[in-house]
Amino acid sequence: EVQLVESGGDSVQPGGSLRLSCAASGFPFSTYNMNWVRQAPGKGLEWISYISDGGTTYYTDSVQGRFTLSRDNAKKSLYLEMNSLRAEDTAVYFCASLNGVEFDYWGQGTLVTVSS
Amino acid sequence: NFVLTQPPSVSESPGKTVTISCTRTSGSIVNNYVQWYRQRPGGSPTTVIFEDNERPSGVPDRISASIDSSSNSASLTISGLKTEDEADYYCQSYDSGLWVFGGGTRLTVL
Repeated sequence: EVQLVESGGDSVQPGGSLRLSCAASGFPFSTYNMNWVRQAPGKGLEWISYISDGGTTYYTDSVQGRFTLSRDNAKKSLYLEMNSLRAEDTAVYFCASLNGVEFDYWGQGTLVTVSS
Repeated sequence: NFVLTQPPSVSESPGKTVTISCTRTSGSIVNNYVQWYRQRPGGSPTTVIFEDNERPSGVPDRISASIDSSSNSASLTISGLKTEDEADYYCQSYDSGLWVFGGGTRLTVL
């Protein structure tokens, strides 16, 4: 069974930092492109970052330069380092695998709250 | 960068048919596949359509999708509506290192 389990969400002050993790199991993680997608409270889905199986990364403009996505294939884990957090970064953060063009598996999400 | 525009909400009665549109603001809708996801309250998204009109296993054939190049839009159609279809639906596509979701459409089956 495929599982993606996010962790690391927390409440943090503006300007603070946080590291999210996503533990994968049940599929060949090292060969999959992976992503983070977030959802602000009551809002829609927003793709924020992608990492290829080889480590190439892409970011949406609003997080470029503040967030860093990395992966550890040996640990089957994905990491999102978030710095200079803003109130507008408040959201549930989902880890999702990319199978071709489709986000085929999603985690349950982890909540990040940025507030003073 | 492009935007995918969806109606915020649609509603229809059980047994009827509903169509949700997804219009691409720039670039051609036919150049990159469109996917559709369903998200129930408190849940994670799941795929109902991938590669414009393909259904994952387990998705019933009363759910279908199409692409219209003339309006530069995609459409998701659900026939024989059931209360279990009530959810938020998102279209999604890609271009040049950018993955984009539509704003989502809340389907109410009343």
